[in-house]
Amino acid sequence: AQSVTQLDSHVSVSEGTPVLLRCNYSSSYSPSLFWYVQHPNKGLQLLLKYTSAATLVKGINGFEAEFKKSETSFHLTKPSAHMSDAAEYFCVVSDRRGGATNKLIFGTGTLLAVQP
Amino acid sequence: DAMVIQNPRYQVTQFGKPVTLSCSQTLNHNVMYWYQQKSSQAPKLLFHYYDKDFNNEADTPDNFQSRRPNTSFCFLDIRSPGLGDAAMYLCATSRDRRQPTYEQYFGPGTRLTVT
Repeated sequence: AQSVTQLDSHVSVSEGTPVLLRCNYSSSYSPSLFWYVQHPNKGLQLLLKYTSAATLVKGINGFEAEFKKSETSFHLTKPSAHMSDAAEYFCVVSDRRGGATNKLIFGTGTLLAVQP
Repeated sequence: DAMVIQNPRYQVTQFGKPVTLSCSQTLNHNVMYWYQQKSSQAPKLLFHYYDKDFNNEADTPDNFQSRRPNTSFCFLDIRSPGLGDAAMYLCATSRDRRQPTYEQYFGPGTRLTVT
């Protein structure tokens, strides 16, 4: 079975400093991995996805993530945090079931706070 | 812009009074999903439609039903809402249900309050 573990439930950074949100995955297959962001009382927005092409994936709003198979990690980073980055972030793996329905397996989320 | 739309954004209903939430999409995607998200939790899949083929999750209560009259619209019906059904309900779409590389596109959600 596939799963994701988000190692931090809360992360707090100062505006202008780097962001690191950690995610480890477990998969029997070559996984498809996603990062979604959710602002308060809003839906989920896709930040970026990894689908077995380049291991360094660039997303929207300056975010990027690196797929490291040896470490089974897919950490999300941003060089400089902005106040508008404050939100909940979900690391997600796509559950491949060989012909059956593809489902998303969500991590428990990391709440990012950005201090002025 | 192509998008997923949910109406209403906020819904208040009474305990036991049926309620319907609406989702529409302009992406022309084959698959539509309904998720329930409680406070500070990840979304939980309730069911999905692949075209007109309905697929229920094993642990979705019978109280939750869904309809998809056409490609663009999908409805979530809660027959007898309980206090525990208060949550954010998210609709999502994807092009195909068998391709793991296809992301899901989410609507803004409907916040349901049960009084």
